Amino acid sequence: AQSVTQLGSHVSVSEGALVLLRCNYSSSVPPYLFWYVQYPNQGLQLLLKYTSAATLVKGINGFEAEFKKSETSFHLTKPSAHMSDAAEYFCAVSGIAGGTSYGKLTFGQGTILTVHP
Amino acid sequence: DVKVTQSSRYLVKRTGEKVFLECVQDMDHENMFWYRQDPGLGLRLIYFSYDVKMKEKGDIPEGYSVSREKKERFSLILESASTNQTSMYLCASSLYGVAGVSSNQPQHFGDGTRLSIL
Repeated sequence: AQSVTQLGSHVSVSEGALVLLRCNYSSSVPPYLFWYVQYPNQGLQLLLKYTSAATLVKGINGFEAEFKKSETSFHLTKPSAHMSDAAEYFCAVSGIAGGTSYGKLTFGQGTILTVHP
Repeated sequence: DVKVTQSSRYLVKRTGEKVFLECVQDMDHENMFWYRQDPGLGLRLIYFSYDVKMKEKGDIPEGYSVSREKKERFSLILESASTNQTSMYLCASSLYGVAGVSSNQPQHFGDGTRLSIL
């Protein structure tokens, strides 16, 4: 079965510092991976997705993520944090072992990013 | 841009009431999903649908049912609301994508309904 682990339920950085949000996955089939962001009282917005075309994926708002099969990781980074990046971030994996997935995603528990001035 | 619209942002109901949460998408997506989101528990899948009148249970279907009479609309029903169903409810949709064990299609989410059961 697929699973996603996000290390650190809370991450705090200073404005201008590097943002690193960790995601490790477990999948018995070739995975597709996604990062979503959720601002307060809103739904989830797609940041980026890995669909096997390239291991380094660039998304919106200056975020990027690198797929590392050997480490089963898909960490999210941004070189310089901005106050507007404060939100909750979710990593998700698609795929099931057998049958048809129907597009189901397995989500991590989420990481709340706080950005200090 | 895909638009997923949930009928209410905030809803307050009483214990024992039958509650309907409505979701409409405008991009002709085959798949639709209902989640609930609780602090510390992430998103948990309640039900999903991959075609009109087709539905499958997710991870936590107890106390809920769904209806999909038209492709663009997916309704979540709380048969007899209880206080432990107080939560944020999120609807999502996605294209069918390539058939098989994985899908490269992202899900698109509505803004959520914050439901309180008193």
